[in-house]
Amino acid sequence: NAGVMQNPRHLVRRRGQEARLRCSPVKGHSHVYWYRQLPEEGLKFMVYLQKENIIDESGMPKERFSAEFPKEGPSILRIQQVVRGDSAAYFCASSPNREGYGYTFGSGTRLTVV
Amino acid sequence: AQKVTQAQTEISVVEKEDVTLDCVYETRDTTYYLFWYKQPPSGELVFLIRRNSFDEQNEISGRYSWNFQKSTSSFNFTITASQVVDSAVYFCALSDSGYALNFGKGTSLLVTP
Repeated sequence: NAGVMQNPRHLVRRRGQEARLRCSPVKGHSHVYWYRQLPEEGLKFMVYLQKENIIDESGMPKERFSAEFPKEGPSILRIQQVVRGDSAAYFCASSPNREGYGYTFGSGTRLTVV
Repeated sequence: AQKVTQAQTEISVVEKEDVTLDCVYETRDTTYYLFWYKQPPSGELVFLIRRNSFDEQNEISGRYSWNFQKSTSSFNFTITASQVVDSAVYFCALSDSGYALNFGKGTSLLVTP
């Protein structure tokens, strides 16, 4: 299956720890997007990255959250000093261009902060 | 500002019934994109359709059909002869950029035998 691969599927962290979520895009896709699904808020756009560049991070919380998409390897969403409110499903998507054709989501990472 | 409203929070139907999921959107852009995604109980997001604002043709794919009406800012989704496997949460989404999707809150569809 050449779809978007996210790991881990489930991640449990204690308050104050760091969470690292990985996303490998569809082969040949150079555009990656991260979304967060909170129970009462629905799916929200967080950030758009191309290889080595952050294009739009308008949906990212200003503190503790960062994202990267290096030249080699998967995209990483990093959450430092996690709090209970960070518990959510985090989805990654990829596309071959920025117009959204072939926009494909991964299965998500469910983060639980205890 | 963009907004997507899925007024139906939950719908329950009996297998083989037809069901329509409503989606109303707001945008000031003349160029925009509309999407539908399915989220089954397993949690992944499954792409169903992408439509741009210049293409108002209705679309049919098997038991699925979509009705796009710019005059009423609606992009409704109909499942014909529903099946238990159609049980899922369905999301409508809008994008003016093509890359940042603005999702509605979803409609939970339950199809019972």
